Amino acid sequence: EPEVTQTPSHQVTQMGQEVILRCVPISNHLYFYWYRQILGQKVEFLVSFYNNEISEKSEIFDDQFSVERPDGSNFTLKIRSTKLEDSAMYFCASSEHPGTQETQYFGPGTRLLVL
Amino acid sequence: QKEVEQDPGPLSVPEGAIVSLNCTYSNSAFQYFMWYRQYSRKGPELLMYTYSSGNKEDGRFTAQVDKSSKYISLFIRDSQPSDSATYLCAMSVGAGRRALTFGSGTRLQVQP
Repeated sequence: EPEVTQTPSHQVTQMGQEVILRCVPISNHLYFYWYRQILGQKVEFLVSFYNNEISEKSEIFDDQFSVERPDGSNFTLKIRSTKLEDSAMYFCASSEHPGTQETQYFGPGTRLLVL
Repeated sequence: QKEVEQDPGPLSVPEGAIVSLNCTYSNSAFQYFMWYRQYSRKGPELLMYTYSSGNKEDGRFTAQVDKSSKYISLFIRDSQPSDSATYLCAMSVGAGRRALTFGSGTRLQVQP
């Protein structure tokens, strides 16, 4: 069964460093998302991406965040200058078709720890 | 008032019991409703997807949406120890706004 994959599974970084989280969405999916889950808290929406541009973003997704689809398979989230409060589980998700409200399938997540 | 409220539990039931999980919400614009299951330190796994009000059944799982009351439910029949997980409700507005708003999750423990 097709699935969303994410790398790395764990990332430890120093405050102020840049990190790039990588995702490979399900191959025929066209809509891509990033969510995060701070330990013990809700899953929160960050951004959605379709047709090579951001279609929706939350207040969390400020100027230190960016997303990119650098090739036909990968979807990345970059955090330019990490802060302690960026420590969280980051989930990538994808959905199939833009014409309907298709369901979103989540990857296993990248656990980011900022020291 | 939180946009989506969900009792965090934990909810402990014996194997074979019927489990009822619920969420309430405040935003009447929500039209798409989902239930996800999340095992510890894993990604959410989609269980059920419902559009607007009504019921949907899939095996041992039944999802109900009552938009007039802003209340959604997930029922699990013949619960199994493997159902032990955190159950997340999620919803979205639709019409191009696909961001999912999640509840905080209910932790379920099914005792063998």
